[in-house]
Amino acid sequence: DSGVTQTPKHLITATGQRVTLRCSPRSGDLSVYWYQQSLDQGLQFLIQYYNGEERAKGNILERFSAQQFPDLHSELNLSSLELGDSALYFCASSVDHSSYEQYFGPGTRLTVT
Amino acid sequence: DQQVKQNSPSLSVQEGRISILNCDYTNSMFDYFLWYKKYPAEGPTFLISISSIKDKNEDGRFTVFLNKSAKHLSLHIVPSQPGDSAVYFCAARNYGQNFVFGPGTRLSVLP
Repeated sequence: DSGVTQTPKHLITATGQRVTLRCSPRSGDLSVYWYQQSLDQGLQFLIQYYNGEERAKGNILERFSAQQFPDLHSELNLSSLELGDSALYFCASSVDHSSYEQYFGPGTRLTVT
Repeated sequence: DQQVKQNSPSLSVQEGRISILNCDYTNSMFDYFLWYKKYPAEGPTFLISISSIKDKNEDGRFTVFLNKSAKHLSLHIVPSQPGDSAVYFCAARNYGQNFVFGPGTRLSVLP
């Protein structure tokens, strides 16, 4: 158990809808990362937050947004969902923005039908 | 543009023998390289790392080698155990910024 929690575990929704994925980092970790893993592909970095502020941005679509709250939990919002958004979404946390060691949650499997 | 490549989608090794997983990269600005292990239905777990200024790092049965001139790193597992069967991801950090992951190699250790 990495100490990172993600909810929900599974999510099935229709095209055009909007969903929110939630992540609670390990106790004491200030940095949160979001990744997308599509079928048989590596993890694609989406975005990083550090202590409530956006720190780095990867290949995140404009339809997606994220935020980190004062209690350090983070939410990833996906809107106008398309079939191609079906994937595993992982959250990871690290002690600070410069740490290279990340601790991953179990992921949220999103299925768009 | 795949900055981190793992050209072997899968690898099978006998228990007790050495497993060698390979990774190639294209970006000279990476400062840290990492290996993660992933079991089904779980998130990736950090395994071992190496700084770009080193050429070897060892932790128990796991050793990572970095060849900067060839832009190549490898993970050696000796001896391999059935519990090592998992997907292994090579990852690289872009000088304190984002992380880039390879597509993974599925290792099967046969008893």
